[in-house]
Amino acid sequence: AQSVTQLGSHVSVSEGALVLLRCNYSSSVPPYLFWYVQYPNQGLQLLLKYTSAATLVKGINGFEAEFKKSETSFHLTKPSAHMSDAAEYFCAVKASRGAGNQFYFGTGTSLTVIP
Amino acid sequence: KAGVTQTPRYLIKTRGQQVTLSCSPISGHRSVSWYQQTPGQGLQFLFEYFSETQRNKGNFPGRFSGRQFSNSRSEMNVSTLELGDSALYLCASSFFLDYEQYFGPGTRLTVT
Repeated sequence: AQSVTQLGSHVSVSEGALVLLRCNYSSSVPPYLFWYVQYPNQGLQLLLKYTSAATLVKGINGFEAEFKKSETSFHLTKPSAHMSDAAEYFCAVKASRGAGNQFYFGTGTSLTVIP
Repeated sequence: KAGVTQTPRYLIKTRGQQVTLSCSPISGHRSVSWYQQTPGQGLQFLFEYFSETQRNKGNFPGRFSGRQFSNSRSEMNVSTLELGDSALYLCASSFFLDYEQYFGPGTRLTVT
């Protein structure tokens, strides 16, 4: 079975500061991991994905995440926050084999960027 | 390439009615998944279709059903609506055996 835990339902950072959004996963098979972003009244947009290649994954808008198997973590970071980064962020896990295409999402982290 | 489209975008229904939501996947994508998003429960998986067959189903009552057509378009139906069905319903498509799901903008359903 797969599951995701996102620590911190609300995170506030100052503009220009480091963004760190935490995600820990549980998976009975090697996982595929994803970060999605959701802006108000919109669907989810894929930021980046880990599919067993490089453990440091770079995504869009300057975001990146590192897969750490020993810590079962896939934290999302960005060196310098912009006002436009304010949104809801979701971490998701999918089994790398079997179980169809079902994604399991975390409960989300709302990011506020303070000017 | 056009993205995932969902219609309608907003819907208001009365308790006890039924509703049908539509999703058109990205061209070439054969898998369509549906999710319910609410503030209290977050994103919950409803079901997944591939080649007109339901492959996976989440933990929802039988009032929630879906289908997929030969052109990969999908519909979901909720019968006997309850107040708790008020939510954003998201559709996502992917190419079979690929990993990413691409989401549509969602249908905001309000049940009064």
